[in-house]
Amino acid sequence: DVKVTQSSRYLVKRTGEKVFLECVQDMDHENMFWYRQDPGLGLRLIYFSYDVKMKEKGDIPEGYSVSREKKERFSLILESASTNQTSMYLCASSLRPYNEQFFGPGTRLTVL
Amino acid sequence: EDQVTQSPEALRLQEGESSSLNCSYTVSGLRGLFWYRQDPGKGPEFLFTLYSAGEEKEKERLKATLTKKESFLHITAPKPEDSATYLCAVLGGSYKLIFGSGTRLLVRP
Repeated sequence: DVKVTQSSRYLVKRTGEKVFLECVQDMDHENMFWYRQDPGLGLRLIYFSYDVKMKEKGDIPEGYSVSREKKERFSLILESASTNQTSMYLCASSLRPYNEQFFGPGTRLTVL
Repeated sequence: EDQVTQSPEALRLQEGESSSLNCSYTVSGLRGLFWYRQDPGKGPEFLFTLYSAGEEKEKERLKATLTKKESFLHITAPKPEDSATYLCAVLGGSYKLIFGSGTRLLVRP
């Protein structure tokens, strides 16, 4: 079974802090994704990566950056956290771009 | 613009009462339609992938079907443990998943 793990289930940070969300997958998937999920807005794509060292902006990249130094690890960085970044963050991976994505358990981030 | 609409928004069923969830989509060059189940506070759990019209997939009490404009998730004789939000997503030419807003299913004993 594919396993996608995220570093924290719950996280509370202060406005202006730099925040790192880590995601690791164990199935040698090429593609990794970061989404945020908000009530009434559904899942929205922040960034994705089709290969190591490669990253592409999704639909809402503002205020975020990513890092993929190794194939199995994809990190989401909030450079200066703001209250409107309070959300559920979901990481996903897939073998190929057109295959199903497998999601991690999510990180509930609260920015005070 | 690629779009996914799910209906109904919420559905309440009695245990054993079969029903269907709808996912209507418009996408340029469908490369796949995906169904997920999501429990509160957790990440979506993959259920099915459908690639072409006429395709059907089954798993326990769930059956997914696909036409050129919509997909149905049929739930046969549901149990309380089937209560969850069911998400539909489509993959078009951009290779970005477009999610619907989901159907919240509650199955009462």
